[in-house]
Amino acid sequence: DTGVSQDPRHKITKRGQNVTFRCDPISEHNRLYWYRQTLGQGPEFLTYFQNEAQLEKSRLLSDRFSAERPKGSFSTLEIQRTEQGDSAMYLCASSSGQGPGELFFGEGSRLTVL
Amino acid sequence: GENVEQHPSTLSVQEGDSAVIKCTYSDSASNYFPWYKQELGKRPQLIIDIRSNVGEKKDQRIAVTLNKTAKHFSLHITETQPEDSAVYFCAVLGWGGKLIFGQGTELSVKP
Repeated sequence: DTGVSQDPRHKITKRGQNVTFRCDPISEHNRLYWYRQTLGQGPEFLTYFQNEAQLEKSRLLSDRFSAERPKGSFSTLEIQRTEQGDSAMYLCASSSGQGPGELFFGEGSRLTVL
Repeated sequence: GENVEQHPSTLSVQEGDSAVIKCTYSDSASNYFPWYKQELGKRPQLIIDIRSNVGEKKDQRIAVTLNKTAKHFSLHITETQPEDSAVYFCAVLGWGGKLIFGQGTELSVKP
């Protein structure tokens, strides 16, 4: 499968713990995006990368969230000191970055904070 | 920042009828407007998109219309089938190249 892959698919954690999600984009894509989706809502933009550079981070994102894409390939999203309000589906997407075009989404990582 | 409003939030139609979903946006500089379909438990997938140099685009049973003056665009599905049942999201390309999504429309096609 050459699509976008995310790991883990499901994560259950206790409040206050740290969690990390990984995203492997389509190999030739240089743009990588993180979105958060809660039930009944559209994907909410969190941050995105052009190669290894983080170009924008949503103002809605607290300092507990950090994302990296150290070599311009895979990316990680870490949430520190998780809260129940962090429970959501975390979606990763990639695109070629050649002008406006299709985002290819992964299956998502579902986080449940108890 | 860019704001995208989508209506209706739910839509129920009989098989064979048409369905229309509308979105409005705030940033007049936006120039790319895709629509994504998300089936239950699945990832969002692009079904059609339109750029601001055209007013309408059609692909078989689906079409998108764009009115840049009024800052709204719509998805039209004709001859609906049960497999069209899903959540549909409009999106707008915001500043810096990120997509801003609407709240979604849950379409139910009843056989």
